[in-house]
Amino acid sequence: AQSVTQPDIHITVSEGASLELRCNYSYGATPYLFWYVQSPGQGLQLLLKYFSGDTLVQGIKGFEAEFKRSQSSFNLRKPSVHWSDAAEYFCAVGRNTDKLIFGTGTRLQVFP
Amino acid sequence: GAVVSQHPSRVICKSGTSVKIECRSLDFQATTMFWYRQFPKKSLMLMATSNEGSKATYEQGVEKDKFLINHASLTLSTLTVTSAHPEDSSFYICSAPLGQGVNGYTFGSGTRLTVV
Repeated sequence: AQSVTQPDIHITVSEGASLELRCNYSYGATPYLFWYVQSPGQGLQLLLKYFSGDTLVQGIKGFEAEFKRSQSSFNLRKPSVHWSDAAEYFCAVGRNTDKLIFGTGTRLQVFP
Repeated sequence: GAVVSQHPSRVICKSGTSVKIECRSLDFQATTMFWYRQFPKKSLMLMATSNEGSKATYEQGVEKDKFLINHASLTLSTLTVTSAHPEDSSFYICSAPLGQGVNGYTFGSGTRLTVV
């Protein structure tokens, strides 16, 4: 079955600290992987996506993610978190015109 | 490019009434539209997939008579919440795949439905 797991429901970091949000997936074919961010009461913003090629992808706002096929993971990282990064982060998997399946989300809280 | 316009952004309705949410693809043809529901502080749960000119495919546990989905044209998909009740209050968001060769998905901005 196709699924996405985000093990961390809530993460708290200090501003300036590094960040890693975990994502594991289960998918029948080579997946297309996405990370989205959602601020309270807002829609979704795409941070980055992986389709093929270089397994380390760069996104907006200084985020990057690494696709590891052997671990079925697509973890999101940022070297130095800013207070404005506080939001809900969703990992998602889909392919071509298939439905996009979301993980349960990780809520990031940033302390000054 | 590839914008989906979702309307209304917010709606408050009385219990027992119906509410229609529209998603329009502005600069591309959306043969498929996915409809999601998001409860507060929860993830996006896929409700149904609509395909232009055919019946929608509903996910398990979603009442098709409660959530009517129509995809009458290549640029418009609608979700109608019929006989709404307070438990239908939620954030509804549509998404269209950009298709093979382009890849990715585009999202509407969402509709916050409150049933009082």
